[in-house]
Amino acid sequence: QLQLQESGPGLVKPSETLSLTCSVSGGSISSSSYYWGWVRQPPGKGLEWIGSIFYSGRTYYNPSLKSRVTLSVDTSKNLFSLKLSSVTAADTAVFYCARFSAVPNYWGQGTLVTVSS
Amino acid sequence: QSALTQPASVSGSPGQSITISCTGTSSDVGGYNYVSWYQQYPGKAPKLMIYEVSSRPSGVSNRFSGSKSGNTASLTISGLQAEDEADYYCTSYTTSSTVVFGGGTKLTVL
Repeated sequence: QLQLQESGPGLVKPSETLSLTCSVSGGSISSSSYYWGWVRQPPGKGLEWIGSIFYSGRTYYNPSLKSRVTLSVDTSKNLFSLKLSSVTAADTAVFYCARFSAVPNYWGQGTLVTVSS
Repeated sequence: QSALTQPASVSGSPGQSITISCTGTSSDVGGYNYVSWYQQYPGKAPKLMIYEVSSRPSGVSNRFSGSKSGNTASLTISGLQAEDEADYYCTSYTTSSTVVFGGGTKLTVL
């Protein structure tokens, strides 16, 4: 059974870089059938796609976040990562990692990241 | 990219049917059959209910169905049950190789 698990700091200071990792088990991140990516959800608000990455390293980003987002993949460890720079309070959200077949079809449980000094 | 348009809320009585719409453009909903629907309970991760417009993952009740006409996709829930009360989100792949979500619809079972 596929499992995705987000990990990373739950608290990040304004202007710093948010870093999260998604560990994949029960399936290979090197599958040519899927992309891997991130979706966030601010408290009480809707879902927002952040970006997706293929195992080869090819990336696709939300245009509104592109200047601050970097996705990477480590096939040897079967995980992928998110970096979001210059964060503000508006970046406070639950961050979900997900497997994508064009759009998300399998989700991690999510992790809350709060931006505060 | 603009979010897909969903009604903020819908409601129905147990046993009734409801439909949630998801309106986009020819660059997303109308351009691809990569439209999915998710159910989300408070504090929980979204759950895939419909993929590729009208396909149901294994384990999802056949009371849930999806369709599309032009730039608008729809999720229909028949035989409403109390457990269906949740938030529902649509999403679509786009011609820019990006992903866009709807704003979400809160379903209330009266």
